[in-house]
Amino acid sequence: RKEVEQDPGPFNVPEGATVAFNCTYSNSASQSFFWYRQDCRKEPKLLMSVYSSGNEDGRFTAQLNRASQYISLLIRDSKLSDSATYLCVVFNLNNAGNMLTFGGGTRLMVKP
Amino acid sequence: DADVTQTPRNRITKTGKRIMLECSQTKGHDRMYWYRQDPGLGLRLIYYSFDVKDINKGEISDGYSVSRQAQAKFSLSLESAIPNQTALYFCATSDLISNEQFFGPGTRLTVL
Repeated sequence: RKEVEQDPGPFNVPEGATVAFNCTYSNSASQSFFWYRQDCRKEPKLLMSVYSSGNEDGRFTAQLNRASQYISLLIRDSKLSDSATYLCVVFNLNNAGNMLTFGGGTRLMVKP
Repeated sequence: DADVTQTPRNRITKTGKRIMLECSQTKGHDRMYWYRQDPGLGLRLIYYSFDVKDINKGEISDGYSVSRQAQAKFSLSLESAIPNQTALYFCATSDLISNEQFFGPGTRLTVL
């Protein structure tokens, strides 16, 4: 089983739609969680951190469910510019130091 | 100017050749990382370094070596390239406090 799993998609949605992605992680001791965005042929960039109480940044809402070991990202009022791959990322403090584990990504395509 | 740069951006080489990928950063971060990305597999950690005298193997270090020449420079070598090392390679940096990693633009390597 992969340490961080995501539905690869693609999710094809019309502009203005609400779309949600889930991600599951296997290490119950994981400490921090993030969503990164990666545009085609570009480097990943941090979209937002995910806090235990849930957090919102404009049209983006992230949720964490530690009991079920999943993380979600909700995008409201989708824009064409939201088309990208969204990477779920989990941080574990191991013996060597901080380590990020990346999911395979979920591809989103927003259509006019 | 970009904070994290990688050279070359694209490289096509033949099986058995030695290849070096270079990474430089102006962020002043101590921690640097090399990842490879393959479709559907996410980013996988090859090597990481927490300071100039520190080198650690990641998840998939076989067939690779690294050199941390200075705080700002971290190079990845393929001593004898093979076709299954064809991938997109990213360098990343992070500081001691934040778990956010900052990525270079990537190097697309093709081994024929």
